Amino acid sequence: NAGVTQTPKFQVLKTGQSMTLQCAQDMNHEYMSWYRQDPGMGLRLIHYSVGAGITDQGEVPNGYNVSRSTTEDFPLRLLSAAPSQTSVYFCASTGYNEQFFGPGTRLTVL
Amino acid sequence: SQKIEQNSEALNIQEGKTATLTCNYTNYSPAYLQWYRQDPGRGPVFLLLIRENEKEKRKERLKVTFDTTLKQSLFHITASQPADSATYLCALASSNTGKLIFGQGTTLQVKP
Repeated sequence: NAGVTQTPKFQVLKTGQSMTLQCAQDMNHEYMSWYRQDPGMGLRLIHYSVGAGITDQGEVPNGYNVSRSTTEDFPLRLLSAAPSQTSVYFCASTGYNEQFFGPGTRLTVL
Repeated sequence: SQKIEQNSEALNIQEGKTATLTCNYTNYSPAYLQWYRQDPGRGPVFLLLIRENEKEKRKERLKVTFDTTLKQSLFHITASQPADSATYLCALASSNTGKLIFGQGTTLQVKP
């Protein structure tokens, strides 16, 4: 099992550009989440999904969209990147009371 | 407002000693609490879960306590090793929403 995979590992964007961060899991988990991690702030929940076709907002959803067409995939879209979205992004899938995290995407917005 | 606090200062200890990390919370009714380990440049890795009706949980050299009266969890690593050096995150699951809220993490440095 690959667990949770994320692509790309690194990305540099200019302000106003859009992009999609990919996340996939092969553990057949229903619950998946996206977090951002900033220095001194801990992990903050952006969006989450409890199953295919169902998504909801977390603590910091503005500027991000998600969709969940399959159990395996949970992409995160930045509609118009801003410098405030410079961060490390982690995707996670939830097993029985345990979250499995991907390796992260380090995003810089200039 | 809901708040989770971990020591923001790094904890430096000597190899072989017991490391104790603290997680405090306010305005929260957690169903359970988790501890994760995070190494630089990597995603967090789950270590232990303790439920609201449990006082203590152990796994090998790790021990977690949970005091819902004090609103505090302590995470202990006994006989610490340099390989234990990492950032440790606590996370609480709300009994209302089930969502996980993370603390900012405490960095542990174990010196040989």
